[in-house]
Amino acid sequence: QSVLTQPPSVFGAPGQRVTISCTGSSSNIGARYDIHWYQQLPGAAPKLLIYGNSYRPSGVPDRFSGSKSGTSVSLAISGLQAEDEADYYCQSYDTSLSGWVFGGGTKLTVL
Amino acid sequence: EVQLVQSGAEVKKSGESLKISCKGSGFSFKYYWIAWVRQMPGKGLEWMGIIHPVDSDTTYSPAFQGQVTISVDTSIDTAYLRWSSLKASDSAMYYCARRSGDYDWFFDLWGRGTLVTVSS
Repeated sequence: QSVLTQPPSVFGAPGQRVTISCTGSSSNIGARYDIHWYQQLPGAAPKLLIYGNSYRPSGVPDRFSGSKSGTSVSLAISGLQAEDEADYYCQSYDTSLSGWVFGGGTKLTVL
Repeated sequence: EVQLVQSGAEVKKSGESLKISCKGSGFSFKYYWIAWVRQMPGKGLEWMGIIHPVDSDTTYSPAFQGQVTISVDTSIDTAYLRWSSLKASDSAMYYCARRSGDYDWFFDLWGRGTLVTVSS
C-alpha cells in the first residue's frame, strides 16, 4: 500500500479534461513537502511532468496542470490526446519514512 | 546531451551477485544526488535509496536497507546498485534518477532503466 493514494485508473475521450488525485498525510504533503508528477508512457522511463505542485518543466504542454488544496493534490489534463495514454505517478518526501515516496500510479486510458 | 546512461539488461540466477551502473553525462555529476527506483513487473515506482557523489552520503528506504548497496565512482561519473545474493523477487526494472537540487525533492532526469531477471 502506497503512502500517497491515487485512483488506479481514469478514462477520458479525446478533447476532454480529466483529473488525477493524490492524497497524502501530515508526514508528507501536510508537512509542506510539495507533490511532483511523472508520466510514464508504455515501455518508457518515467518523465518529470509537474514539479512543486504546479510548475511545468520546459517542453511540457500547458494542457498539463497541477494544483494543491490542503493534503490533496491533483493533476489535470485538458484537451486529451491519444498520446497522453500513460501511467501517472505522484511523488513527495515523507518525514516519517525519511525518504521519497510515490503514489501507486494511475493508468489513463483515452477512449 | 544531459543524460543518465544505464547498463544493459541482466539475466542471473538466484544467489548470484550483480552490480548495475548509471553513468551521467552532460552535467556536473558530482553535484547531484542520484537515486535508484525499482519497478516490478506491472507495478508502480518504489524509491530504493539515494547517494551524493561528493561524500557518498547514502540514504536507503527502510524496505531496501540491507538488501542492496548503492555506491558511486566520481572519477567516471557513475553510480552503482549492487546485490550480493539475488532472489527471484529482485526481478524488476531499475531506474536511476537525478535529484534536481539540494533543496528540491523531485527527480528531473531519469535513465532508461536496467531490466534485471533472476531465475530460481
